Amino acid sequence: AQSVSQHNHHVILSEAASLELGCNYSYGGTVNLFWYVQYPGQHLQLLLKYFSGDPLVKGIKGFEAEFIKSKFSFNLRKPSVQWSDTAEYFCAVNARGGYNKLIFGAGTRLAVHP
Amino acid sequence: EPEVTQTPSHQVTQMGQEVILRCVPISNHLYFYWYRQILGQKVEFLVSFYNNEISEKSEIFDDQFSVERPDGSNFTLKIRSTKLEDSAMYFCASSEGLAGDTDTQYFGPGTRLTVL
Repeated sequence: AQSVSQHNHHVILSEAASLELGCNYSYGGTVNLFWYVQYPGQHLQLLLKYFSGDPLVKGIKGFEAEFIKSKFSFNLRKPSVQWSDTAEYFCAVNARGGYNKLIFGAGTRLAVHP
Repeated sequence: EPEVTQTPSHQVTQMGQEVILRCVPISNHLYFYWYRQILGQKVEFLVSFYNNEISEKSEIFDDQFSVERPDGSNFTLKIRSTKLEDSAMYFCASSEGLAGDTDTQYFGPGTRLTVL
């Protein structure tokens, strides 16, 4: 069965610290990969996505993610976080080849302290 | 920038009552979806909809649930007889339906459903 694991449920950082959030997926075929962010009181917003090509993808607000096929991973990174990055981050995958359902991870709550 | 909108933001209902959750997808999008998130749990897929019919549904989407596109702009989720365990945040999403594999789903702000 398809599944997505996010290893960190809660992360607390100080401003300017570096961030890496882990995401691993289990799926027996080719996938598309996404990171969504949900700021407090707001809706899920797309941070970045990977469909094919360069495995290092850059998204909005200085975030990037690297697809490592051999590890079934799509970790999210940011070199220097800001207080405004406080949010919940969701990794999601769907099967390549159609307009398919997203499978979400459990989410990681990030709190950035000034 | 176009957004998916949902109404109401919060719905409180009694067990056994029918509820209709409403969504207005992005105007040129062709695929529509409903997801839900029970408090403390993962976001789960419920159903996808294209060309006025369901294209995929999950095990959660049983006979108590139905979806409809009643006009050119709205997309609704109906729960016929709500149960306590239906309490959740319900998210609507839409996607353009791009050819190939690059379709991206955009989400609405959600409707928090509380069943008492």
